[in-house]
Order: sequence, then C-alpha cells, then structure tokens
Amino acid sequence: DQQVKQNSPSLSVQEGRISILNCDYTNSMFDYFLWYKKYPAEGPTFLISISSIKDKNEDGRFTVFLNKSAKHLSLHIVPSQPGDSAVYFCAASEGPGNQFYFGTGTSLTVIP
Amino acid sequence: GAVVSQHPSWVICKSGTSVKIECRSLDFQATTMFWYRQFPKQSLMLMATSNEGSKATYEQGVEKDKFLINHASLTLSTLTVTSAHPEDSSFYICSAYRGLNTEAFFGQGTRLTVV
Repeated sequence: DQQVKQNSPSLSVQEGRISILNCDYTNSMFDYFLWYKKYPAEGPTFLISISSIKDKNEDGRFTVFLNKSAKHLSLHIVPSQPGDSAVYFCAASEGPGNQFYFGTGTSLTVIP
Repeated sequence: GAVVSQHPSWVICKSGTSVKIECRSLDFQATTMFWYRQFPKQSLMLMATSNEGSKATYEQGVEKDKFLINHASLTLSTLTVTSAHPEDSSFYICSAYRGLNTEAFFGQGTRLTVV
C-alpha cells in the first residue's frame, strides 16, 4: 500500500520556467515532509522540508507547499536550471525518529 | 553539516557469497539507522530499522537471516547480504537521524550486482 504517491513519473520544463512537482499522501498521521533529489547511482540528497504546522517553506529557488486538508504537497523550483535535472522524491514521516515513506519519484528534465 | 558515509558504493559479487555494506555517521551519533532498498523504477522501500545495542526490526517480507544487520556502535551499522543471489541485485541506502533533528541524512548508496 503506497502511502505516498507521486503520480507524474516524468516532467520536462524549459530552462528559466517554473517546475512544479506534486505529491499526495494518505496517512493523516504524517506530520513531517521532505523533498529529496537523486542522481543516478547516488544516494538521495536533502532539498527542503516542511512540518505540518506550516503550509509553506521557502529556500532559495525551492518552495514547498503543504495542503493538509487535501493531503497534498508540491515542490516549486523557479527558475528551473539544467542542473536541476534529476529524480525528485517526496517523503513523509510521523515525526522525529520514525521511518520515512517515499513516493516513487518524478524525473525532472530541464531543457536548456 | 552532518554526513552519513556508506561503503562500498559499488560491488559485484558471485552468487552464493556474502557482501557487507557499512553505514557510518561521521559527525554525530545515531542511535537509529534505517536500511532501504530500491528496485529499478520503484520507490525506496524500508528493509529494517537498526537500533544501537539491540536487534534490528525487520519489515514484513524481509528475511532477517539473509539480511544481517549489526549496529554495534553509535556511529556504525552494517548490512550483510548472505548467500547472495541475482535477485538481491539492487540499490541499498542507509539513513540516520541526528538525535531529535527531524532531518534524515542519507548515505551515498551501494549498488550491488550479483552475478
């Protein structure tokens, strides 16, 4: 049972435009969410996080939005750069020390 | 920042042999580490939770006698794939929390190929 879902396996965006990656979850006990970026044959690297007490968190070009009522979060990258091309995973947990549940990933391609 | 180091990054072994993968927290103590496995085009799936000084907790469907986990110190957890078979070929990743910090740090991952 996939508790975290990323329904778009791939996304292509022109350089300079906004990339929007979406993630849905089913477990209402999740209260901490993360986005990770992963290059082939490498471990995931942390991008940005958000806790359930917030609905937005911004870090440079990356902004994560959380809609708790819809159990939906999204990652906005603006402006998109070719170096952003990678697979992006969202992950959720029930709090500190608990395991993360990962989505299946969205492969982002930023076209120069 | 905190770093989790995983070694080796790539290993090829013969069917029937055992392979040990190490996961180290370099600048913090990790009482809990998680081991994940990723099949091609699938998400990371938790295999087991490794607790320092006690037995690991395995997820349903993961053979504890095949995937031996040892968390002997606060900075080191090891995963040993015993009697490896080609179907064990996968990408294995460890992660660790630093105390109450809610961010999990990930190792670089290990690509295991069993021939």
